[in-house]
Amino acid sequence: QKEVEQNSGPLSVPEGAIASLNCTYSDRGSQSFFWYRQYSGKSPELIMFIYSNGDKEDGRFTAQLNKASQYVSLLIRDSQPSDSATYLCAVNPPSNTGKLIFGQGTTLQVKP
Amino acid sequence: NAGVMQNPRHLVRRRGQEARLRCSPMKGHSHVYWYRQLPEEGLKFMVYLQKENIIDESGMPKERFSAEFPKEGPSILRIQQVVRGDSAAYFCASSQGTVLQEQYFGPGTRLTVT
Repeated sequence: QKEVEQNSGPLSVPEGAIASLNCTYSDRGSQSFFWYRQYSGKSPELIMFIYSNGDKEDGRFTAQLNKASQYVSLLIRDSQPSDSATYLCAVNPPSNTGKLIFGQGTTLQVKP
Repeated sequence: NAGVMQNPRHLVRRRGQEARLRCSPMKGHSHVYWYRQLPEEGLKFMVYLQKENIIDESGMPKERFSAEFPKEGPSILRIQQVVRGDSAAYFCASSQGTVLQEQYFGPGTRLTVT
């Protein structure tokens, strides 16, 4: 079992729709969870950071965390073609060294 | 620009040469992480450093790779005797602390070994 799993996609949604990206992790003691966006040929850009169960909203983005189910998701409302990118889920395992374990990423395509 | 800086952005080396990648963390950050992204693969943690100390090198290949973060100057990732399989994007990230702290990434160094 991979430590952090994501569906590679591509996930295709029409412009204006809600895109839902999912991620599961294997280490129950993991403490913090991150969503990064990566455009082709570019570096990862931090979008959201969550460490408490529940929802965290920032503009069009909502991160959801369920530690009991070991599940974290990212919702993008009013999706725009500029949101088309690979979305990386990252987990900070309980080693307390700060390293992040990344999933393979989900490719999102927002069609005009 | 107070972001994470990396140089060079592109580096071409012949097999057997040495590659040196540099990273200056974001202002106010004292924790540096190196990650590698091989073509068509995900980001993999390599090493975590604080000033003058290697804290976690569990992701570093045992041979040819080393990292340092001296008291003065940037963090350096060094790859000796490069091979074609070292061709990848190498990203540096920095944070203020470790627990519950965001990591911000630099633009990366794309290493090509010919």
